Amino acid sequence: RKEVEQDPGPFNVPEGATVAFNCTYSNSASQSFFWYRQDCRKEPKLLMSVYSSGNEDGRFTAQLNRASQYISLLIRDSKLSDSATYLCVVIRGGYQKVTFGTGTKLQVIP
Amino acid sequence: DTAVSQTPKYLVTQMGNDKSIKCEQNLGHDTMYWYKQDSKKFLKIMFSYNNKELIINETVPNRFSPKSPDKAHLNLHINSLELGDSAVYFCASSQVGGASTSAGNTIYFGEGSWLTVV
Repeated sequence: RKEVEQDPGPFNVPEGATVAFNCTYSNSASQSFFWYRQDCRKEPKLLMSVYSSGNEDGRFTAQLNRASQYISLLIRDSKLSDSATYLCVVIRGGYQKVTFGTGTKLQVIP
Repeated sequence: DTAVSQTPKYLVTQMGNDKSIKCEQNLGHDTMYWYKQDSKKFLKIMFSYNNKELIINETVPNRFSPKSPDKAHLNLHINSLELGDSAVYFCASSQVGGASTSAGNTIYFGEGSWLTVV
């Protein structure tokens, strides 16, 4: 089983829709969680951290479920500019064993 | 100012050649990485250095040799290039300090070096 797994998609959604992605991780010792966004032919960039209590940043909400070992990303009122690949990132260990998921591709359609 | 900069951005070279990619970060971070993203877009860590010391060396052919002259630089040298080495190579950096502080774990990527081996 991969350490971090994501549905690769693509998720094709109309503008204004709400879309959710999940990411599961296999190592219960994982400590930090993030969502990154990668546009086509660009580098990954931090979208948001994921906290145990859940956190929101505008139209984006991230949640962590330690019991079931998954994190989620909810995007409300999707915009065309949200089209990208969303990478789940899991970190464990003092020297940052960093594992990226394979990414979920989102395409927002006019 | 570019936080993590890597050169060259594009590199086309023949099989068997030796090439280097340079990386520099001006964020004052202690940890630097090299990642490889292949044609399937899977981003896989190759190496991680903390304060010039190698701490992660994933299963990478020994044709790949990282070098960190100081904590702001992490270069990647590749010997005897093969067709399968064609990929995008991303340099990245983050603060070290354990996983207790999410802000400290943010990884900043360079723009990538697009290597094509022909």
